[in-house]
Amino acid sequence: SYVLTQPPSVSVAPGKTARITCGGNNIGRKSVHWYQQKPGQAPVLVIYNDSDRPSGIPERFSGSNSGNTATLTISSVEAGDEADYYCQVWDSSSDHLYVFGTGTKVTVL
Amino acid sequence: EVQLVESGGGLVQPGGSLRLSCAASGFTLSNYWMHWVRQAPGKGLVWVSRINSDGTSTTYADSVKGRFTISRDNAKKTLYLQMDSLRAEDTAVYYCAKTGPSGGDHFDYWGQGTLVTVSS
Repeated sequence: SYVLTQPPSVSVAPGKTARITCGGNNIGRKSVHWYQQKPGQAPVLVIYNDSDRPSGIPERFSGSNSGNTATLTISSVEAGDEADYYCQVWDSSSDHLYVFGTGTKVTVL
Repeated sequence: EVQLVESGGGLVQPGGSLRLSCAASGFTLSNYWMHWVRQAPGKGLVWVSRINSDGTSTTYADSVKGRFTISRDNAKKTLYLQMDSLRAEDTAVYYCAKTGPSGGDHFDYWGQGTLVTVSS
């Protein structure tokens, strides 16, 4: 089964840059997607196919993927970016075909 | 505007059944694969099941295989999840989610979720 590992938490000051990693075996060969989830709300897609942004998502959100690590970068962090973030891939060999990362809580100081 | 609205959650005893519904609007449901994803209280997201655009192909996570049944009625613009033989570990918020365009393996829209609590 494919495992995606994220740091449990990331803290960042307003206006600074937050980087959230997602580790997986040869994840660079897969398409990685990222979701933002605020308390009590449904997840929202913020990055798909490694680095594409859905309409309505600020340019401050960007993604990259290479080797064994994918990264979601949030530039010029705002208080409203405080949320849980999950990475996700599709893996045909996994029981759960659509595998989510363990999640990272982003705290804006 | 794409909208997905789940309903049907509630409190059920272990071994009981529940049927969730997800009403879709703002897009042509029959063009998209659809999914159910769940989230236990305080835990992460877990994919549960998917169904292809015309309902002829379904896939399940091992943890629910044989107990849950996903289906759809494109004419009624509704997705369903029949949950039987429910266990305490099935307690979660259940989200329906739409597959991204061009057959992508991501979820571009999610419903607000419906809470299922399995307890005696």
